Amino acid sequence: SQTIHQWPATLVQPVGSPLSLECTVEGTSNPNLYWYRQAAGRGLQLLFYSVGIGQISSEVPQNLSASRPQDRQFILSSKKLLLSDSGFYLCAWSQGGYTQYFGPGTRLTVL
Amino acid sequence: GIQVEQSPPDLILQEGANSTLRCNFSDSVNNLQWFHQNPWGQLINLFYIPSGTKQNGRLSATTVATERYSLLYISSSQTTDSGVYFCAVEGDYKLSFGAGTTVTVRA
Repeated sequence: SQTIHQWPATLVQPVGSPLSLECTVEGTSNPNLYWYRQAAGRGLQLLFYSVGIGQISSEVPQNLSASRPQDRQFILSSKKLLLSDSGFYLCAWSQGGYTQYFGPGTRLTVL
Repeated sequence: GIQVEQSPPDLILQEGANSTLRCNFSDSVNNLQWFHQNPWGQLINLFYIPSGTKQNGRLSATTVATERYSLLYISSSQTTDSGVYFCAVEGDYKLSFGAGTTVTVRA
């Protein structure tokens, strides 16, 4: 069966510090991968998606970036965090345009 | 992009009650999913339902694609049903989420 992992689970970072969040998927190959952000009490906003290694599509201009160095690994990064980057970050995978499955998420607080 | 509207925004239920959540979307879609977000933030897939009706235990969902809406039914609600319910529609591999319905089930 397929599983999706995210780490860390929680993170507290100062403004201006770098960020690296990791997502890995097991039990499938060539998945579509997604990064979402959820602000407190709100819906999910798609940040990035990837349909293959090295291919990244950005949905929202911001100081975040994403990379896919391996087939089942998706990384979200920032060189300098802003207060507005605080939120709940969720990674998801799907096979083609079908059901998306979400990881447990990372709660990021920028102080 | 596709606009997704969910109603009501908040719902308070007594345990054992039934309820209906609605999702309207602005354009034709390839895929529609319902999720339940538990208090720990985990998004749980409930239904993949681009059209038709599906049932899973006390939950069922109906999507009328031609009229661009979907309904999620919760019957005999339990306290464990509390959380936020999201509808999401897909076009070009991307899901667009509604703002969610927050359900509180009281014992």
